[in-house]
Amino acid sequence: QSVLTQPPSASGTPGQRVTISCSGSSSNIGSYTLNWYQQFPGTAPKLLIYSTNQRPSGVPDRFSGSKSGTSASLAISGLQSEDEADYYCAAWDDSLNGPVFGGGTKLTVL
Amino acid sequence: QVQLQESGPGLVKPSGTLSLTCAVSGGSISSNNWWTWVRQPPGKGLEWIGEIYHSGTTNYNPSLKSRVTISVDKSKNLFSLTLTSVTAADTAVYYCARPQGGARFDPWGRGTLVTVSS
Repeated sequence: QSVLTQPPSASGTPGQRVTISCSGSSSNIGSYTLNWYQQFPGTAPKLLIYSTNQRPSGVPDRFSGSKSGTSASLAISGLQSEDEADYYCAAWDDSLNGPVFGGGTKLTVL
Repeated sequence: QVQLQESGPGLVKPSGTLSLTCAVSGGSISSNNWWTWVRQPPGKGLEWIGEIYHSGTTNYNPSLKSRVTISVDKSKNLFSLTLTSVTAADTAVYYCARPQGGARFDPWGRGTLVTVSS
C-alpha cells in the first residue's frame, strides 16, 4: 500500500493528451513539491519532472506537472508510442521523515 | 557528470545479510550531497530505504530501520547498504541514487537484482 495514490493504468492514442493523477495528504504533497519519474521495463527510473512543474534538461515540453492542495497531475500532450512506460510520483513526507512514492501508473499507447 | 554503479551478490540466503556497494564516479562523494538507496520488488513500486550524508549522518525508513545500515567510504568514493535478517520479501532490484532535495533523485544507478532464496 503506497502512501501516494496513483491509478494503476492509463491509456491514450497517439497525439492525444493524457493525465496521470497522484493523491496524497498534508504531510507530503500538501507541504512539499512533487517529482515524477518515468521507468521503462528493465531500466532505472528517470527524473521526468521536479519541483512540481520543472523539466530537467532533455525532457520534452510535452510533459508537464501541476499540483493543487494534496493532489498532483502529470500531463503528457501529443502522446507518442515511446511514452509507453511506468510513471511514479514522489514527494517528501513529514510523517516518514523521508520520501514516499506512488504505486506507479502503467501508460499504454493504443 | 556523476554516475552511480551498484554491485554485490545477486543471491542471499534467508536470514542472511544483504550487502551492496554503490560506486560514485565523475564526482566526489564528499561533495555537498546526500546519497540514497531505493528498492523495487519485481513487478511492484519503489520503496525508499535510507540515505547518508558524506559526514556519516544517516536517515532510515522506519519500516527497515532495525535491519538497515548505510555507510560511506570516502577513500574509495563509494557508499554501502547492509540489510540483515533478510526474507523473500526483501527480493528486489536495489538502486542507489543521489538526492537533490526532497524526493528529487538524479542520477540513479542501473540497479542490481538481489534474490533471497535458499
